[in-house]
Amino acid sequence: GENVEQHPSTLSVQEGDSAVIKCTYSDSASNYFPWYKQELGKRPQLIIDIRSNVGEKKDQRIAVTLNKTAKHFSLHITETQPEDSAVYFCAASLGNFNKFYFGSGTKLNVKP
Amino acid sequence: GAVVSQHPSWVICKSGTSVKIECRSLDFQATTMFWYRQFPKQSLMLMATSNEGSKATYEQGVEKDKFLINHASLTLSTLTVTSAHPEDSSFYICSARGGSDQPQHFGDGTRLSIL
Repeated sequence: GENVEQHPSTLSVQEGDSAVIKCTYSDSASNYFPWYKQELGKRPQLIIDIRSNVGEKKDQRIAVTLNKTAKHFSLHITETQPEDSAVYFCAASLGNFNKFYFGSGTKLNVKP
Repeated sequence: GAVVSQHPSWVICKSGTSVKIECRSLDFQATTMFWYRQFPKQSLMLMATSNEGSKATYEQGVEKDKFLINHASLTLSTLTVTSAHPEDSSFYICSARGGSDQPQHFGDGTRLSIL
């Protein structure tokens, strides 16, 4: 099955700085890669996603890049704000919107 | 739109009892629902995929007889943890999608504590 690895496990940045979270996947058949933000005890919220036919996608302060050859994708958050503090999960999907295999999560702490 | 409701949000029960968790799609028909389990400070682990009107597909290592899944209608899937024990204590989250080309929408999760 698919194996998704995520780094770092914790990330602390100063407000206004950028944050980068990286994930790798093992199955070259995976073609959909969502990123979720989860606050303590709450549901995961989709923040951005990318399909395998695209190399980069941006939505305001958030961007995701995908390198299919290397089988890795990254989340970039610019101009971080305290409300960005949460746990972020990457996922890979075998088939569009099919079952997700999640990374281990990154706890992001944005210090004011 | 695309709201998924999960109930109960929190349950505490004695060891040996069975607990049922409901996952409902409120404003769309969910052809597929997924059940995840999340331990504290850990990732979401997919337990099973549930398609309306058919048997659930369980991930490797998940006991079918322990975690009974029923998806009897296009808006409701249930997960029953049978003969629950303390090691079953966890955060259980469901997600639902309307079709193969639709994204997954997550419920709020159920925190299960077995004493």
